[in-house]
Amino acid sequence: DQQVKQNSPSLSVQEGRISILNCDYTNSMFDYFLWYKKYPAEGPTFLISISSIKDKNEDGRFTVFLNKSAKHLSLHIVPSQPGDSAVYFCAASVLFMVGRGSQGNLIFGKGTKLSVKP
Amino acid sequence: GAGVSQSPRYKVAKRGQDVALRCDPISGHVSLFWYQQALGQGPEFLTYFQNEAQLDKSGLPSDRFFAERPEGSVSTLKIQRTQQEDSAVYLCASRQGIGTRRTGTLEQYFGPGTRLTVT
Repeated sequence: DQQVKQNSPSLSVQEGRISILNCDYTNSMFDYFLWYKKYPAEGPTFLISISSIKDKNEDGRFTVFLNKSAKHLSLHIVPSQPGDSAVYFCAASVLFMVGRGSQGNLIFGKGTKLSVKP
Repeated sequence: GAGVSQSPRYKVAKRGQDVALRCDPISGHVSLFWYQQALGQGPEFLTYFQNEAQLDKSGLPSDRFFAERPEGSVSTLKIQRTQQEDSAVYLCASRQGIGTRRTGTLEQYFGPGTRLTVT
């Protein structure tokens, strides 16, 4: 039973346009969410995170939105660049229980492959 | 070091062989995680260390998998009597603190992984 779902295996956008990557989760105990970017033959690279007490976090071209009632988050990349082409993973963890049964390990979705065309 | 490093990057083992995978976390990071990533899937949690203590090994798939971090820095993941289903990328990640804002940043930083192929 997948607790973190990325329902789009792939996404193709034109350079300069917005890329929107979506992620849904089922566990209401998740309180910290992260997005990672992965190039082939490399490990995942941390991009941006958001705590459940916020609904938006922005870092340069990257913005993550969190809708707790819908158990949904999204990553917006504006403007998209060819170098953004990679697999993007959504991950979630339970941090409020750290030290009381949780270690904050990450639960990942299956990833979405983003292709940004020049 | 500047980031998390792992060795070897690639390992081919014959079925039944034992393998050892090494992880060097970011210097000073308290938390260390091991994940397994099968083809087309996201990484899945295997085990967690806080300094030298292994606090969670609930994700280890069988008793053939063993991990250690004896001095609270470098960690080794050992797989005994490898099977074909063990073929995957094994990722190591480190986190500055124990997972509270008071003890450091909350993100996990990953190494490049070791791709294990069991033939």
